[in-house]
Amino acid sequence: DADVTQTPRNRITKTGKRIMLECSQTKGHDRMYWYRQDPGLGLRLIYYSFDVKDINKGEISDGYSVSRQAQAKFSLSLESAIPNQTALYFCATSGPGDQPQHFGDGTRLSIL
Amino acid sequence: LAKTTQPISMDSYEGQEVNITCSHNNIATNDYITWYQQFPSQGPRFIIQGYKTKVTNEVASLFIPADRKSSTLSLPRVSLSDTAVYYCLVESFNKFYFGSGTKLNVKP
Repeated sequence: DADVTQTPRNRITKTGKRIMLECSQTKGHDRMYWYRQDPGLGLRLIYYSFDVKDINKGEISDGYSVSRQAQAKFSLSLESAIPNQTALYFCATSGPGDQPQHFGDGTRLSIL
Repeated sequence: LAKTTQPISMDSYEGQEVNITCSHNNIATNDYITWYQQFPSQGPRFIIQGYKTKVTNEVASLFIPADRKSSTLSLPRVSLSDTAVYYCLVESFNKFYFGSGTKLNVKP
């Protein structure tokens, strides 16, 4: 979805480095999400935010932190990257209630 | 927990109808079921959403039996471009249960 932009699209880094993945959206949605995708495991929720002052842990938040800088921006940080955090990361947004989520095209992160 | 379970893969031929079922035995009363399609190097894209009985849009139908413990995504007359991974999602009390995805391979 071009309305949800993730940067960078690809990143290779070393163990122990601090990494920030950024997400911005033009859909005007209050709700934003960060997911991780691994082969055979589908999508797993890392963190989500229902508005600028709201941050919630998801299923697999250990080793990650987030910042909701504005309604349109939600960033994911790995304070000290480790190889098992190598994965495809997706940001998503949604409107209120049960409205479907809109995903960015992902960031492929490799940690050596 | 509204854990979701899907078949890992399915094969089909062009022009056939394809049905992909997702099991969600512990779905709660107010939970919706949503299906997404994902192509390589892209994020998942919304296909259809439903709560009960049947929902139809221009690309798919979603069948949900009365007990709501499963749901079936139906793709009519698939083409090669429908080759993708399909995910079901149940959101329950602010927890998001994605299935592990069904890889659909459409053959000519």
